[in-house]
Amino acid sequence: DSGVTQTPKHLITATGQRVTLRCSPRSGDLSVYWYQQSLDQGLQFLIQYYNGEERAKGNILERFSAQQFPDLHSELNLSSLELGDSALYFCASSKGTSGNNEQFFGPGTRLTVL
Amino acid sequence: GENVEQHPSTLSVQEGDSAVIKCTYSDSASNYFPWYKQELGKGPQLIIDIRSNVGEKKDQRIAVTLNKTAKHFSLHITETQPEDSAVYFCAATKGNYGQNFVFGPGTRLSVLP
Repeated sequence: DSGVTQTPKHLITATGQRVTLRCSPRSGDLSVYWYQQSLDQGLQFLIQYYNGEERAKGNILERFSAQQFPDLHSELNLSSLELGDSALYFCASSKGTSGNNEQFFGPGTRLTVL
Repeated sequence: GENVEQHPSTLSVQEGDSAVIKCTYSDSASNYFPWYKQELGKGPQLIIDIRSNVGEKKDQRIAVTLNKTAKHFSLHITETQPEDSAVYFCAATKGNYGQNFVFGPGTRLSVLP
């Protein structure tokens, strides 16, 4: 158990809908990272937050947004969903803000868009 | 930006044999190279990492080697066991502010009893 929690574990929704994925980092970790894992794309970095502020952006679509709250939990919002958004979404956390801190991954949320 | 290649994509070994997975990276400024193991239905788990000031690191049956000149690093698993079966990902990063991991595409390791 990495100490990172993600909810829900599974999510099934229809095209055009909006969903929110939630992540709670390990105790003491200030950085939260979001990744998308699909069969043909591997693990793709989406976005990083550190202590409530956005720190880095990767291949995140404009239809996707995220935030980190004062209690350090983070939410990833996916809107106008398309079939291609079906994937595993992982959250990871680390103590610091630089990219070479060990990242601890949560169990993931499996999103299925029908 | 950084690009990480990983080979092989699939690897089958007999229990007790060794397994080697190789990764190459493109950005010579990258200085941190973690390896993650992902079991079915779970998130990636860090198993070993190496920084650019070190050439080799071992942890029991697992070792990682780094060749900065050639820009490649490898994961070595000795005395493989069925529970080593998983997908393994390498990653590279410069570690600067805002720089994050670039993962390799993964290697599916199967350890046959």
